[in-house]
Amino acid sequence: NAGVTQTPKFQVLKTGQSMTLQCAQDMNHEYMSWYRQDPGMGLRLIHYSVGAGITDQGEVPNGYNVSRSTTEDFPLRLLSAAPSQTSVYFCASSSRTGTYEQYFGPGTRLTVT
Amino acid sequence: SQQGEEDPQALSIQEGENATMNCSYKTSINNLQWYRQNSGRGLVHLILIRSNEREKHSGRLRVTLDTSKKSSSLLITASRAADTASYFCATAATQYGNKLVFGAGTILRVKS
Repeated sequence: NAGVTQTPKFQVLKTGQSMTLQCAQDMNHEYMSWYRQDPGMGLRLIHYSVGAGITDQGEVPNGYNVSRSTTEDFPLRLLSAAPSQTSVYFCASSSRTGTYEQYFGPGTRLTVT
Repeated sequence: SQQGEEDPQALSIQEGENATMNCSYKTSINNLQWYRQNSGRGLVHLILIRSNEREKHSGRLRVTLDTSKKSSSLLITASRAADTASYFCATAATQYGNKLVFGAGTILRVKS
């Protein structure tokens, strides 16, 4: 199993540009989440999904959109990038049964200039 | 706002010593989890303790939970250089743990 994969690993955007961060998991997990990590801080939840077709907002959703058309994929869209969105983005998945631990992807480091 | 606050922010010890990290949180929880993050990597789950548990062990890890004080501690015994990493506590309001609220983390450095 590849686990949770994220692409790209690094991205530089100009203010106002849009882009999609990709996330995929091959563990058939129902739950998927997006977090951002800023220097000296823990992770903050952006959006999450409890299954295909179902998404909801987390703590810091402004400026981001998500959709979940399949169990495997959970892309995060930045609509109009701002310097405040410079961060490292992590996708995670977990099962609704079992140990409930979250499995994290390797992250995408995004810089907005 | 973040749920968990961790203490200390940074910890430097010698190989073989024990490392203790503390986490405090603000609201009721279903479970509390600890994660490790090596530099530049994603987070790796270490251990989960439920609100009705007081102590849990996993290898060299010991976690305690005091719901009356809304606090938890992570003890790593006989530390190794490979334990050098950032450690985060995360709380879950529901049993599914899919909406975790993270603390700011403790940076642990183990010197060999």
